[in-house]
Amino acid sequence: GENVEQHPSTLSVQEGDSAVIKCTYSDSASNYFPWYKQELGKRPQLIIDIRSNVGEKKDQRIAVTLNKTAKHFSLHITETQPEDSAVYFCAASAGDKLIFGTGTRLQVFP
Amino acid sequence: KAGVTQTPRYLIKTRGQQVTLSCSPISGHRSVSWYQQTPGQGLQFLFEYFSETQRNKGNFPGRFSGRQFSNSRSEMNVSTLELGDSALYLCASSFLTGVVDNEQFFGPGTRLTVL
Repeated sequence: GENVEQHPSTLSVQEGDSAVIKCTYSDSASNYFPWYKQELGKRPQLIIDIRSNVGEKKDQRIAVTLNKTAKHFSLHITETQPEDSAVYFCAASAGDKLIFGTGTRLQVFP
Repeated sequence: KAGVTQTPRYLIKTRGQQVTLSCSPISGHRSVSWYQQTPGQGLQFLFEYFSETQRNKGNFPGRFSGRQFSNSRSEMNVSTLELGDSALYLCASSFLTGVVDNEQFFGPGTRLTVL
Protein backbone atom coordinates (compact mmCIF):
# COMPACT_ATOMS: atom_id res chain seq x y z
CA GLY A 1 0.00 0.00 0.00
CA GLU A 2 0.93 3.65 0.07
CA ASN A 3 3.80 4.54 2.36
CA VAL A 4 5.71 7.67 3.38
CA GLU A 5 9.07 7.39 5.09
CA GLN A 6 10.48 10.35 7.00
CA HIS A 7 14.02 10.98 8.25
CA PRO A 8 15.49 11.78 10.64
CA SER A 9 13.21 10.99 13.56
CA THR A 10 14.99 13.57 15.73
CA LEU A 11 17.10 16.56 14.76
CA SER A 12 18.96 18.97 17.01
CA VAL A 13 20.41 22.20 15.66
CA GLN A 14 21.90 25.39 17.01
CA GLU A 15 19.87 28.54 16.65
CA GLY A 16 20.67 30.16 13.31
CA ASP A 17 21.65 26.91 11.61
CA SER A 18 19.61 25.23 8.88
CA ALA A 19 17.51 22.10 9.27
CA VAL A 20 16.52 19.63 6.56
CA ILE A 21 13.90 16.91 6.86
CA LYS A 22 13.50 14.34 4.11
CA CYS A 23 10.59 12.17 3.00
CA THR A 24 10.12 9.51 0.37
CA TYR A 25 6.80 8.25 -0.93
CA SER A 26 5.76 5.09 -2.71
CA ASP A 27 2.68 6.06 -4.74
CA SER A 28 3.77 7.45 -8.09
CA ALA A 29 0.30 8.99 -8.48
CA SER A 30 0.80 11.25 -5.44
CA ASN A 31 0.46 14.87 -6.54
CA TYR A 32 0.20 16.89 -3.34
CA PHE A 33 2.71 17.13 -0.50
CA PRO A 34 1.90 19.18 2.61
CA TRP A 35 4.02 19.70 5.70
CA TYR A 36 2.52 20.10 9.16
CA LYS A 37 4.08 21.48 12.34
CA GLN A 38 2.88 20.24 15.71
CA GLU A 39 4.11 22.08 18.77
CA LEU A 40 4.10 20.27 22.08
CA GLY A 41 0.53 19.69 23.24
CA LYS A 42 -0.95 21.50 20.27
CA ARG A 43 -2.72 20.50 17.08
CA PRO A 44 -0.90 19.99 13.76
CA GLN A 45 -0.92 23.05 11.52
CA LEU A 46 -0.14 23.29 7.82
CA ILE A 47 3.02 25.31 7.22
CA ILE A 48 3.72 24.77 3.54
CA ASP A 49 2.64 22.52 0.69
CA ILE A 50 3.71 21.74 -2.85
CA ARG A 51 2.02 20.25 -5.86
CA SER A 52 3.68 17.78 -8.20
CA ASN A 53 3.91 20.27 -11.07
CA VAL A 54 6.28 22.45 -9.03
CA GLY A 55 9.86 21.60 -8.07
CA GLU A 56 10.34 24.09 -5.25
CA LYS A 57 8.29 26.45 -3.14
CA LYS A 58 9.50 28.98 -0.60
CA ASP A 59 7.81 30.95 2.17
CA GLN A 60 10.15 33.17 4.15
CA ARG A 61 12.49 30.86 6.10
CA ILE A 62 10.92 27.60 4.98
CA ALA A 63 11.10 25.90 1.62
CA VAL A 64 10.06 22.58 0.19
CA THR A 65 11.68 20.77 -2.73
CA LEU A 66 10.25 17.88 -4.72
CA ASN A 67 11.99 15.31 -6.89
CA LYS A 68 9.22 13.35 -8.61
CA THR A 69 11.60 10.98 -10.37
CA ALA A 70 13.17 9.85 -7.11
CA LYS A 71 9.90 10.27 -5.17
CA HIS A 72 11.65 12.46 -2.62
CA PHE A 73 10.58 15.71 -1.04
CA SER A 74 12.28 17.76 1.64
CA LEU A 75 11.58 20.57 4.07
CA HIS A 76 14.30 23.18 4.54
CA ILE A 77 14.26 25.64 7.43
CA THR A 78 16.91 28.35 7.39
CA GLU A 79 18.03 30.60 10.24
CA THR A 80 16.31 28.37 12.77
CA GLN A 81 14.84 29.91 15.91
CA PRO A 82 13.82 28.32 19.24
CA GLU A 83 10.16 28.69 18.26
CA ASP A 84 10.80 26.33 15.33
CA SER A 85 11.13 23.53 17.90
CA ALA A 86 8.26 21.11 17.21
CA VAL A 87 7.41 17.84 15.50
CA TYR A 88 7.18 18.14 11.73
CA PHE A 89 5.12 15.75 9.63
CA CYS A 90 5.33 15.31 5.90
CA ALA A 91 2.43 13.83 3.96
CA ALA A 92 1.66 12.67 0.44
CA SER A 93 -1.68 12.40 -1.24
CA ALA A 94 -3.00 8.93 -2.05
CA GLY A 95 -6.22 9.40 -3.94
CA ASP A 96 -8.36 11.64 -1.78
CA LYS A 97 -6.53 10.99 1.47
CA LEU A 98 -3.21 11.93 3.04
CA ILE A 99 -0.55 9.45 4.10
CA PHE A 100 1.66 10.92 6.81
CA GLY A 101 5.26 10.26 7.69
CA THR A 102 6.15 9.28 11.24
CA GLY A 103 7.37 12.75 12.19
CA THR A 104 10.65 14.51 12.97
CA ARG A 105 11.20 16.09 16.36
CA LEU A 106 13.24 19.25 15.77
CA GLN A 107 14.97 20.90 18.70
CA VAL A 108 16.58 24.28 18.23
CA PHE A 109 19.02 25.20 20.98
CA PRO A 110 19.66 28.88 21.73
CA LYS B 1 -14.27 31.94 13.14
CA ALA B 2 -14.23 29.17 15.74
CA GLY B 3 -11.80 26.34 15.12
CA VAL B 4 -12.37 22.61 15.11
CA THR B 5 -13.47 21.33 18.50
CA GLN B 6 -13.33 17.82 19.90
CA THR B 7 -14.96 16.33 22.97
CA PRO B 8 -14.04 14.94 25.32
CA ARG B 9 -10.40 15.98 25.51
CA TYR B 10 -9.41 13.06 27.72
CA LEU B 11 -10.92 9.66 28.21
CA ILE B 12 -9.96 6.60 30.23
CA LYS B 13 -11.59 3.28 29.43
CA THR B 14 -10.94 -0.38 30.14
CA ARG B 15 -10.43 -3.19 27.68
CA GLY B 16 -13.62 -4.45 26.10
CA GLN B 17 -15.54 -1.21 26.56
CA GLN B 18 -16.63 1.02 23.73
CA VAL B 19 -16.11 4.73 23.27
CA THR B 20 -17.60 7.55 21.20
CA LEU B 21 -15.64 10.66 20.29
CA SER B 22 -17.13 13.82 18.84
CA CYS B 23 -15.81 16.41 16.40
CA SER B 24 -17.38 19.73 15.43
CA PRO B 25 -15.87 21.17 12.25
CA ILE B 26 -15.29 24.78 11.36
CA SER B 27 -18.56 26.42 10.33
CA GLY B 28 -19.16 25.83 6.63
CA HIS B 29 -16.81 22.87 6.37
CA ARG B 30 -18.47 19.71 5.16
CA SER B 31 -15.59 17.25 5.33
CA VAL B 32 -14.33 15.62 8.52
CA SER B 33 -11.38 13.24 8.58
CA TRP B 34 -10.22 11.20 11.55
CA TYR B 35 -6.65 10.22 12.40
CA GLN B 36 -5.01 8.11 15.09
CA GLN B 37 -1.73 9.50 16.40
CA THR B 38 0.67 7.29 18.33
CA PRO B 39 4.36 7.76 19.14
CA GLY B 40 6.48 6.30 16.37
CA GLN B 41 3.54 5.78 14.01
CA GLY B 42 2.69 9.35 13.23
CA LEU B 43 -0.80 10.14 12.02
CA GLN B 44 -2.72 7.24 10.54
CA PHE B 45 -5.83 7.92 8.51
CA LEU B 46 -9.01 6.31 9.80
CA PHE B 47 -11.79 7.64 7.55
CA GLU B 48 -13.32 10.72 5.99
CA TYR B 49 -16.93 11.84 5.93
CA PHE B 50 -18.35 14.37 3.52
CA SER B 51 -22.01 15.35 3.41
CA GLU B 52 -22.92 12.49 5.75
CA THR B 53 -21.25 9.86 3.53
CA GLN B 54 -18.03 7.99 4.19
CA ARG B 55 -15.77 8.91 1.28
CA ASN B 56 -12.50 7.27 2.24
CA LYS B 57 -11.36 4.62 4.67
CA GLY B 58 -7.97 3.67 6.06
CA ASN B 59 -6.68 0.28 7.10
CA PHE B 60 -8.30 -0.10 10.49
CA PRO B 61 -10.46 -2.98 11.71
CA GLY B 62 -14.23 -2.79 11.69
CA ARG B 63 -14.21 -1.97 15.41
CA PHE B 64 -13.54 1.60 14.30
CA SER B 65 -16.58 3.27 12.79
CA GLY B 66 -17.93 6.73 12.32
CA ARG B 67 -20.78 8.83 11.13
CA GLN B 68 -21.58 12.38 10.20
CA PHE B 69 -24.69 14.36 10.92
CA SER B 70 -26.52 16.86 8.75
CA ASN B 71 -24.79 19.74 10.58
CA SER B 72 -21.41 18.19 9.60
CA ARG B 73 -20.57 17.20 13.17
CA SER B 74 -18.95 13.78 13.22
CA GLU B 75 -18.62 11.00 15.74
CA MET B 76 -16.15 8.17 15.85
CA ASN B 77 -16.87 4.95 17.71
CA VAL B 78 -14.46 2.26 18.82
CA SER B 79 -15.96 -0.97 20.11
CA THR B 80 -14.30 -3.73 22.14
CA LEU B 81 -11.37 -1.53 23.12
CA GLU B 82 -7.86 -2.99 23.14
CA LEU B 83 -4.76 -1.70 24.92
CA GLY B 84 -3.30 -0.79 21.54
CA ASP B 85 -6.13 1.65 20.90
CA SER B 86 -4.58 4.07 23.39
CA ALA B 87 -3.73 7.11 21.30
CA LEU B 88 -4.51 10.71 20.47
CA TYR B 89 -7.44 10.81 18.09
CA LEU B 90 -7.45 13.87 15.87
CA CYS B 91 -10.15 15.07 13.57
CA ALA B 92 -9.62 17.55 10.78
CA SER B 93 -12.16 19.53 8.83
CA SER B 94 -12.02 21.01 5.36
CA PHE B 95 -14.39 22.82 3.05
CA LEU B 96 -14.38 20.19 0.32
CA THR B 97 -13.56 16.51 0.02
CA GLY B 98 -10.17 15.58 -1.39
CA VAL B 99 -6.81 16.92 -0.27
CA VAL B 100 -5.34 19.07 -3.06
CA ASP B 101 -5.83 22.79 -2.42
CA ASN B 102 -8.22 21.86 0.37
CA GLU B 103 -6.47 22.57 3.66
CA GLN B 104 -7.31 20.36 6.57
CA PHE B 105 -7.69 22.13 9.93
CA PHE B 106 -7.06 19.93 12.91
CA GLY B 107 -8.84 19.82 16.24
CA PRO B 108 -7.01 19.57 19.58
CA GLY B 109 -7.57 15.83 19.77
CA THR B 110 -9.04 13.38 22.27
CA ARG B 111 -6.48 11.50 24.34
CA LEU B 112 -7.82 7.96 24.87
CA THR B 113 -6.20 5.70 27.42
CA VAL B 114 -7.25 2.06 27.55
CA LEU B 115 -6.39 0.22 30.78
